Amino acid sequence: AQSVTQLDSQVPVFEEAPVELRCNYSSSVSVYLFWYVQYPNQGLQLLLKYLSGSTLVKGINGFEAEFNKSQTSFHLRKPSVHISDTAEYFCAVRRVGNQFYFGTGTSLTVIP
Amino acid sequence: DAGVTQSPTHLIKTRGQQVTLRCSPKSGHDTVSWYQQALGQGPQFIFQYYEEEERQRGNFPDRFSGHQFPNYSSELNVNALLLGDSALYLCASSPFWGEDTQYFGPGTRLTVL
Repeated sequence: AQSVTQLDSQVPVFEEAPVELRCNYSSSVSVYLFWYVQYPNQGLQLLLKYLSGSTLVKGINGFEAEFNKSQTSFHLRKPSVHISDTAEYFCAVRRVGNQFYFGTGTSLTVIP
Repeated sequence: DAGVTQSPTHLIKTRGQQVTLRCSPKSGHDTVSWYQQALGQGPQFIFQYYEEEERQRGNFPDRFSGHQFPNYSSELNVNALLLGDSALYLCASSPFWGEDTQYFGPGTRLTVL
């Protein structure tokens, strides 16, 4: 079975500092990987996705992620965070047939 | 263009009752998935509907059932509610079955007392 592990439940970071949110997946087959963001009292919004091709994926709001097959990781990064980036971030893997498995989430808090 | 909409926004029920949640997919989308998000957890896949049939199902008991209508809207029904069913229920739609990108609605917050 495919599963996703988000290693940090909470990440505090100062405004304009860089951030990395970690995600590892377990799978023996090809995977499709996603990062979603959830703002308070809202649904999930897609940040970026990796399906194939270049291992560095750029998404919305200045976020990017790197797919590392040897380390089975898909870490999310942003070089300079803003207050508005405070939210819950979810890593997800798509199984064949369009079934998604989500991690438990990382709460990013940007400190002024 | 309206995104995915869900109703109601909040709902309070008591144990043993039944509940129906509704979802209208994004315009042009024909595939609808339902997720349960418990407090502090990531969303868990319940099931997915396409062409009015359940196509995929996660590890949820038969108390959870659904339906998709010809206009692609969908309902999630939960019978014999338990306290543990309290969660945010998310609906997501895709433009076609097998499409990797899902668009999520704001969710319905269900509280079971």
